[in-house]
Amino acid sequence: SQKIEQNSEALNIQEGKTATLTCNYTNYSPAYLQWYRQDPGRGPVFLLLIRENEKEKRKERLKVTFDTTLKQSLFHITASQPADSATYLCARTGGFKTIFGAGTRLFVKA
Amino acid sequence: DVKVTQSSRYLVKRTGEKVFLECVQDMDHENMFWYRQDPGLGLRLIYFSYDVKMKEKGDIPEGYSVSREKKERFSLILESASTNQTSMYLCASSWTQGGLYNEQFFGPGTRLTVL
Repeated sequence: SQKIEQNSEALNIQEGKTATLTCNYTNYSPAYLQWYRQDPGRGPVFLLLIRENEKEKRKERLKVTFDTTLKQSLFHITASQPADSATYLCARTGGFKTIFGAGTRLFVKA
Repeated sequence: DVKVTQSSRYLVKRTGEKVFLECVQDMDHENMFWYRQDPGLGLRLIYFSYDVKMKEKGDIPEGYSVSREKKERFSLILESASTNQTSMYLCASSWTQGGLYNEQFFGPGTRLTVL
């Protein structure tokens, strides 16, 4: 079965640094990977989508990479701020199914 | 902006009760989804619908049913609530392009407690 694995340990970084979150998937490459942000007690909010034929995607301070050889996506937040503290979910989509990872909690200290 | 609304933010029910969770989206999306989210397990798909009156089982459909009589509305029904159905329930919607689901827009969630 297809799986998405994210680091279950929380990531703690200092304000201004770059946060890097990892998403690994199993079996065949998905058509695309998505990243969502989720704040406590709220629904996830879509951030970025990267297709399997794209190596990198950027949006403001966010950058996502997709390495089909390593079966991995990296999600970067540059110049991180305390307001970036949240749980970040990775999701793989292939065909008509999207599978979500359990998420990685990010804490940015001022 | 796409808006997905859910009928309740918090709900407390008793074991054995029939529970209805309602979800409405305002962007004419073809696809709608119901997930539950539990600590450490992430989002698990219960049911989804790709058109009115159409439904497909997700990964954990047991104990649940759904109804989609109108395009904008997708209901999740717990036929006889049990304590192991205590969870956060999230509804989402998306459109289809090129045979693939696009990014999903989520509602705020309903935190259901079954006593």
